[in-house]
Amino acid sequence: GDSVTQMEGPVTLSEEAFLTINCTYTATGYPSLFWYVQYPGEGLQLLLKATKADDKGSNKGFEATYRKETTSFHLEKGSVQVSDSAVYFCALNDNAGNMLTFGGGTRLMVKP
Amino acid sequence: DAMVIQNPRYQVTQFGKPVTLSCSQTLNHNVMYWYQQKSSQAPKLLFHYYDKDFNNEADTPDNFQSRRPNTSFCFLDIRSPGLGDAAMYLCATSRDTAGGYDNEQFFGPGTRLTVL
Repeated sequence: GDSVTQMEGPVTLSEEAFLTINCTYTATGYPSLFWYVQYPGEGLQLLLKATKADDKGSNKGFEATYRKETTSFHLEKGSVQVSDSAVYFCALNDNAGNMLTFGGGTRLMVKP
Repeated sequence: DAMVIQNPRYQVTQFGKPVTLSCSQTLNHNVMYWYQQKSSQAPKLLFHYYDKDFNNEADTPDNFQSRRPNTSFCFLDIRSPGLGDAAMYLCATSRDTAGGYDNEQFFGPGTRLTVL
């Protein structure tokens, strides 16, 4: 079956540091890939997405590139802020029944 | 703004006392989903409706039921909550069940359920 593996957290960074959260996946066919962010006490918000190989999703300074050769969708941001502190979930959709398969989530803590 | 609304945001119930959580959407989406999320773990899909068609996940306990009286509203009923059912419950919607571009799931803010 489909699966998503994320780096375990928490990831603790200082403000303005560079962020990478690794995500790799296993799926048959050509899934769509997503990053969702969950702020404390809130639901999930779609951060960015990519639907085919080599697509780059971007939003709010975050980027991720769909790499089919390495089955990866790593999340990056050049300069994190305290307000980016949240849990980040990588997910895939197999494009068959629109069901999401989530990774385990990575908690990011950014210190001033 | 089009959105997914969940009420209440916080719900406290007693062990064994039935509880209902509510979700509404202004997106006019065909599909509505219910997820259970414990302690910042990944959300776990309980079931979903495509229009009026109910689709239960194989490992969802019978204690969890759902109703969708119309396109806009969907309810999660927990018939006899146990301590292990304390969690965040997330509602989500999507335009359709086919994947692909512009068919992502939109999530509500969640209802945090406490069982005493």
